Amino acid sequence: ETGVTQSPTHLIKTRGQQVTLRCSSQSGHNTVSWYQQALGQGPQFIFQYYREEENGRGNFPPRFSGLQFPNYSSELNVNALELDDSALYLCASSLAESTRLFGSGTRLTVV
Amino acid sequence: RKEVEQDPGPFNVPEGATVAFNCTYSNSASQSFFWYRQDCRKEPKLLMSVYSSGNEDGRFTAQLNRASQYISLLIRDSKLSDSATYLCVVNMAGNNDMRFGAGTRLTVKP
Repeated sequence: ETGVTQSPTHLIKTRGQQVTLRCSSQSGHNTVSWYQQALGQGPQFIFQYYREEENGRGNFPPRFSGLQFPNYSSELNVNALELDDSALYLCASSLAESTRLFGSGTRLTVV
Repeated sequence: RKEVEQDPGPFNVPEGATVAFNCTYSNSASQSFFWYRQDCRKEPKLLMSVYSSGNEDGRFTAQLNRASQYISLLIRDSKLSDSATYLCVVNMAGNNDMRFGAGTRLTVKP
């Protein structure tokens, strides 16, 4: 098993900038979901992709967008960064309804 | 009201103690339930799924009460390695997002 890998591990951005986070899913997994985890909180669902289509979205504004590629890897894009976007961003992959496997996350700091 | 609420903690217990975590959820349409464990500065990892009949995995026992919309996790004979944050997770059928509680931090001391 290759596991779920995310890049970069840490990132510092300035308010107003744009950021792209990347995720490579576990081999054989066709579903990727993204979560935002603020300090001291549980992960909050952002959205999910299944076979390159978004098939679920949490309560996040449109400046949070994503992509899934034919190899099932994924990107999370955030435009017009705000200070409150500072968090750990977690990617999880799964095969259909199977258990989600999380990557170790990208820690984003917006200054 | 939050969709998934957990005991705020933290729980500080001695080795060998029994500790119980509680969780309530607001959406009665919820279908799948889980406990995840998250170590400091690490990703969440599945501890166990929670079934209506209750289920046990070694020292860990999970219970679900659908009528009360309540989930519990019992840890017996606590080990130092059990120290972590325990996340209650709820998923609705037909909806692909998992709703996490804020987590309960457990510290097991020698």
